[in-house]
Amino acid sequence: GQQLNQSPQSMFIQEGEDVSMNCTSSSIFNTWLWYKQDPGEGPVLLIALYKAGELTSNGRLTAQFGITRKDSFLNISASIPSDVGIYFCAGQLYRSGTASKLTFGTGTRLQVTL
Amino acid sequence: DGGITQSPKYLFRKEGQNVTLSCEQNLNHDAMYWYRQDPGQGLRLIYYSQIVNDFQKGDIAEGYSVSREKKESFPLTVTSAQKNPTAFYLCASSPRSGRRTSGSYEQYFGPGTRLTVT
Repeated sequence: GQQLNQSPQSMFIQEGEDVSMNCTSSSIFNTWLWYKQDPGEGPVLLIALYKAGELTSNGRLTAQFGITRKDSFLNISASIPSDVGIYFCAGQLYRSGTASKLTFGTGTRLQVTL
Repeated sequence: DGGITQSPKYLFRKEGQNVTLSCEQNLNHDAMYWYRQDPGQGLRLIYYSQIVNDFQKGDIAEGYSVSREKKESFPLTVTSAQKNPTAFYLCASSPRSGRRTSGSYEQYFGPGTRLTVT
């Protein structure tokens, strides 16, 4: 099955820095989701995007649904140590009345140094 | 509290044995999913179910089986036919509605079960 391309694969940043990561697909989606996973735990939903061009914030996190519907971006401002983890994007092509599958990105591993 | 539970957290089995992983949700979600995650990898879909007594194969269904006899439960059996069963297994659920409202199709995950087969 398809996996989305996510970049960067990993990044080391200093506390207080801003972080950007993106996710690209060869096919279009009508929903983009961003998850964070801590080691040994299940992913936690951070942000959901439903419309091309949409920009949505959740605290220090901001995500955008790309205009082409084939990409999405996540920004974290003023990073803190608890931002450490793996961030996954997921695309979905939903149809009304049908719970549709998610296609996941390969993940971006974020490490924050003091 | 509403949520998804998976048990046990860690599971050890000998090669050649079947093993069943539990997943229960009290979110009243119609759809449930099983994913497999290998070290440094994303999530790959094994099976999913949109409604009781119905399920579909995902991308890597070979060597796995599921049942959906109750809305809140979706157990996964890893059979001896699965060639490389050691992995982290994640269960998820989502609502399923006739028209999309905010949050209708988002999937929520359980804490996972780490299976080690030796």
